Amino acid sequence: DAKTTQPPSMDCAEGRAANLPCNHSTISGNEYVYWYRQIHSQGPQYIIHGLKNNETNEMASLIITEDRKSSTLILPHATLRDTAVYYCIVRVVKAAGNKLTFGGGTRVLVKP
Amino acid sequence: DTAVSQTPKYLVTQMGNDKSIKCEQNLGHDTMYWYKQDSKKFLKIMFSYNNKELIINETVPNRFSPKSPDKAHLNLHINSLELGDSAVYFCASSQNSGGGGNAQYFGPGTRLTVL
Repeated sequence: DAKTTQPPSMDCAEGRAANLPCNHSTISGNEYVYWYRQIHSQGPQYIIHGLKNNETNEMASLIITEDRKSSTLILPHATLRDTAVYYCIVRVVKAAGNKLTFGGGTRVLVKP
Repeated sequence: DTAVSQTPKYLVTQMGNDKSIKCEQNLGHDTMYWYKQDSKKFLKIMFSYNNKELIINETVPNRFSPKSPDKAHLNLHINSLELGDSAVYFCASSQNSGGGGNAQYFGPGTRLTVL
């Protein structure tokens, strides 16, 4: 699976949009981009995923560049409860197995 | 209605003991996983079962033995516990083992401390 690069940490203001970048310059055509987050002392939580098109759900939006070499997770109105480590994962569909490879992620601190 | 549940939440035990962690999912998923998160907070997959069949077995000591009595349960048994086994263990499930849009749903974790 392609490797991803994320900034180790970032702060954002409560109520403002949080834009989390992820670089995956070696992504292949059959690899999806997934975002998960882990709030302190909890299990990882699925946020969103996409292949080529931008995606939006009730939690966030995912913007994937046209060349697919990078993406941005957008939390439209960050709250204090969004403080967490956010993981960008690129995953190829395999015949057997659905392995997620977690990197270091971005530690996001939402400040009042 | 917890989707993926694990028991116990905390487990403290002596080196050399044998212990088990249980996981259950009520999502109707076919695939379940065990991940380990070490003290440096890196999450790594250990095992995956699809419909009670082992499909992923990473480089894990054979002291770790997963068991899936049915597709809603995946238990993890650890023999001869060592200090290095101290970690948080997460169970997860997904609808199936393939397909691109296959999100995994994680349990709350079991914090294992080996003394």
